[in-house]
Amino acid sequence: GAVVSQHPSWVICKSGTSVKIECRSLDFQATTMFWYRQFPKQSLMLMATSNEGSKATYEQGVEKDKFLINHASLTLSTLTVTSAHPEDSSFYICSARASLNTEAFFGQGTRLTVV
Amino acid sequence: KNQVEQSPQSLIILEGKNCTLQCNYTVSPFSNLRWYKQDTGRGPVSLTIMTFSENTKSNGRYTATLDADTKQSSLHITASQLSDSASYICVVSDGSNYQLIWGAGTKLIIKP
Repeated sequence: GAVVSQHPSWVICKSGTSVKIECRSLDFQATTMFWYRQFPKQSLMLMATSNEGSKATYEQGVEKDKFLINHASLTLSTLTVTSAHPEDSSFYICSARASLNTEAFFGQGTRLTVV
Repeated sequence: KNQVEQSPQSLIILEGKNCTLQCNYTVSPFSNLRWYKQDTGRGPVSLTIMTFSENTKSNGRYTATLDADTKQSSLHITASQLSDSASYICVVSDGSNYQLIWGAGTKLIIKP
């Protein structure tokens, strides 16, 4: 299957700092990328959907000014957690798909710990 | 409201045994149904994807079934192995906007 690479796989940061997570589609062009958050023992929760070249669409309750998403190219999307706080500690996962109704492939996830 | 419900929430079986996980959905219109395996601390990996016209699809020891009339799906795992320990998530794609509706997952633990 197609490969989606997410980086870093884990990060520890101090409260108040910002963290950037990258999501790359390595062997296909992703018109749409999705960002999810997963708390322990819970399923994935969609945070936002981003289409290349346009603003991301955020799910209800997700602060767009706190979770900045950039999808500048067909192979790269970034999620920046701004002014991170301990409650932002979670597992963040991206996925990418080439077009509507095609398979969405997932990155390996990023474990964010804010201390 | 579009929903995907999975059962059981968790399951513990002995290595070598078979098991079946259930998924019921109310998503309409329906586009496709996917089963993912998620190891702890990893991203989900696709096991099967089924469209409206498919009743059964296999991937090695994993066999998924779909009954579009009753809106039910199952994932059967044969001859379980320790490496099958993971969360198994059922995801249904909404045919109107292709949004993915996620189930809460079944936590499967295989014991030696």
